[in-house]
Amino acid sequence: DAGVIQSPRHEVTEMGQEVTLRCKPISGHDYLFWYRQTMMRGLELLIYFNNNVPIDDSGMPEDRFSAKMPNASFSTLKIQPSEPRDSAVYFCASSPLAGGSTDTQYFGPGTRLTVL
Amino acid sequence: LAKTTQPISMDSYEGQEVNITCSHNNIATNDYITWYQQFPSQGPRFIIQGYKTKVTNEVASLFIPADRKSSTLSLPRVSLSDTAVYYCLVAPASGGGADGLTFGKGTHLIIQP
Repeated sequence: DAGVIQSPRHEVTEMGQEVTLRCKPISGHDYLFWYRQTMMRGLELLIYFNNNVPIDDSGMPEDRFSAKMPNASFSTLKIQPSEPRDSAVYFCASSPLAGGSTDTQYFGPGTRLTVL
Repeated sequence: LAKTTQPISMDSYEGQEVNITCSHNNIATNDYITWYQQFPSQGPRFIIQGYKTKVTNEVASLFIPADRKSSTLSLPRVSLSDTAVYYCLVAPASGGGADGLTFGKGTHLIIQP
């Protein structure tokens, strides 16, 4: 199994531009999570999906952030317009069972976003 | 939902046993305790999970006292490669929502030769 795949691995953009991060979860996993990691705030959950349906997006910082999961094998996190304070590492993770938050999460390698 | 408190950083030496304690005074009856490890430039990975008493696997041991208000991750005979950030999570088996998935800043463990 290839594990959780994220692209791009690095993204540098200018303030005001649209940024799209992509994630392919492990096949057969029912849950998909998007996290953001910064030095100041640590690792924060942004949103998670169950069977392609968004369950909790209370961690999404503001309307500039949106996430979709059009099918079981693909999800996107979009920031429009981007701001320098969005600079962070964004992780995608998936979980195999519909048992809730104690199920093991498998993380991707992350996307390092820099907004100039 | 239970909030966790863990030391910001710790350091030790190769060959030593390292114990990282996590406080979770408000843990609920159906909460489990899970520890993750994160190396630089990688995503976190699952280490161990437990509900009560002691759990051991090939990587670590997890000690949970009877009141479950804290837990201790024990790493036997650490090596330089154990330098990482360690996160303690407390969450119910189901229906915990997003609050149970708060990783926070974790404990930065530095192992020296």
